[in-house]
Amino acid sequence: DAGVIQSPRHEVTEMGQEVTLRCKPISGHDYLFWYRQTMMRGLELLIYFNNNVPIDDSGMPEDRFSAKMPNASFSTLKIQPSEPRDSAVYFCASSRKQGRGNTIYFGEGSWLTVV
Amino acid sequence: DQQVKQNSPSLSVQEGRISILNCDYTNSMFDYFLWYKKYPAEGPTFLISISSIKDKNEDGRFTVFLNKSAKHLSLHIVPSQPGDSAVYFCAARQGGSEKLVFGKGTKLTVNP
Repeated sequence: DAGVIQSPRHEVTEMGQEVTLRCKPISGHDYLFWYRQTMMRGLELLIYFNNNVPIDDSGMPEDRFSAKMPNASFSTLKIQPSEPRDSAVYFCASSRKQGRGNTIYFGEGSWLTVV
Repeated sequence: DQQVKQNSPSLSVQEGRISILNCDYTNSMFDYFLWYKKYPAEGPTFLISISSIKDKNEDGRFTVFLNKSAKHLSLHIVPSQPGDSAVYFCAARQGGSEKLVFGKGTKLTVNP
């Protein structure tokens, strides 16, 4: 089975530019998560979707960040305009609700550098 | 306000010895705990989990212990192998929610 697929793997962009990160979750999974990893804050949840509907976006840093899930097999995380402090690894993850024993599967991450 | 804390950023052990990674949490509503392992340039992968109704769960060389009264869990790896060298994340989930709250991770190095 294919895992969670993210693109691009690496992105270097200039401050002020728009950045779009993409994610294809595991087929059949009905939850999708966007996490960000930084040295200072570790792995923090930005937003998650259930059946394509945003459930909790309380972790989204500010209005410059937006996420969409137009269908069950695709999601985007957009940063506009980007700033150097947005430099981090962004992980997409998905899961299928399994009662208490829910396991989240992560993609390999998108490494973003804003200069 | 970190709800899940891993106070040791790094740990170094000799091959064959036991590795003990620790995790503390503050939210008493957490009822499910997981450990994830992460190699460089890869995403975290699930390792082992434990429900709050248990105090121990074992899977091969990996055992997780939960002490609810102390709000503390630990991951034991016995015997440690060089391939275990990675960053280990502790995570917790509150009943009724699907989101996981992660600690900052502990980098384990197993020396041959």
